[in-house]
Amino acid sequence: EAGVAQSPRYKIIEKRQSVAFWCNPISGHATLYWYQQILGQGPKLLIQFQNNGVVDDSQLPKDRFSAERLKGVDSTLKIQPAKLEDSAVYLCASSLEPGGDEKLFFGSGTQLSVL
Amino acid sequence: AQKVTQAQTEISVVEKEDVTLDCVYETRDTTYYLFWYKQPPSGELVFLIRRNSFDEQNEISGRYSWNFQKSTSSFNFTITASQVVDSAVYFCALKEEFQGAQKLVFGQGTRLTINP
Repeated sequence: EAGVAQSPRYKIIEKRQSVAFWCNPISGHATLYWYQQILGQGPKLLIQFQNNGVVDDSQLPKDRFSAERLKGVDSTLKIQPAKLEDSAVYLCASSLEPGGDEKLFFGSGTQLSVL
Repeated sequence: AQKVTQAQTEISVVEKEDVTLDCVYETRDTTYYLFWYKQPPSGELVFLIRRNSFDEQNEISGRYSWNFQKSTSSFNFTITASQVVDSAVYFCALKEEFQGAQKLVFGQGTRLTINP
């Protein structure tokens, strides 16, 4: 079974530029998550989708971050314009259902460096 | 307020030693779920175990064991006879309902280094 796919693996941009990350979850997984992991910290949830609807985006900085999951499968996370503090690893995860005991499957992440 | 606390930032032991990673959580829910994930250098978080709040039985899986104690709000993880391949960052996480959604909150992580 293929895992969660993410691209690119690494990205370096200058501040005020824009960047986009792509995620393809495990086939059949209805729930998709984007997490931000700053160096030395645990992952922080940015947004959660159930199929193509947003379940939770309370911690997404909506003035610069946006995400979509148009057909309920793959997803794109965008940052525009980027700030220095956006340097982090962006992890995508998926689960079969959003239930409490459902485990999340994570991709390898995109490491973003903003200079 | 921080919901999951992993007080040990880094631990370093010699191979074959036993090591315990601490996790303390805070929640107002009576129904919640606890998880441990491992993050090797490749970056991908790997699921290790989940526990629901109604099941306080300790669990053992090979060299790994978990001690869940509701009275102290702790969910500690022990590796017996550690090996170099156990070197990774380990995260404890709490899933609870928040505004109608199941939200997974991670601790800060403990970086475990097993030296040969």
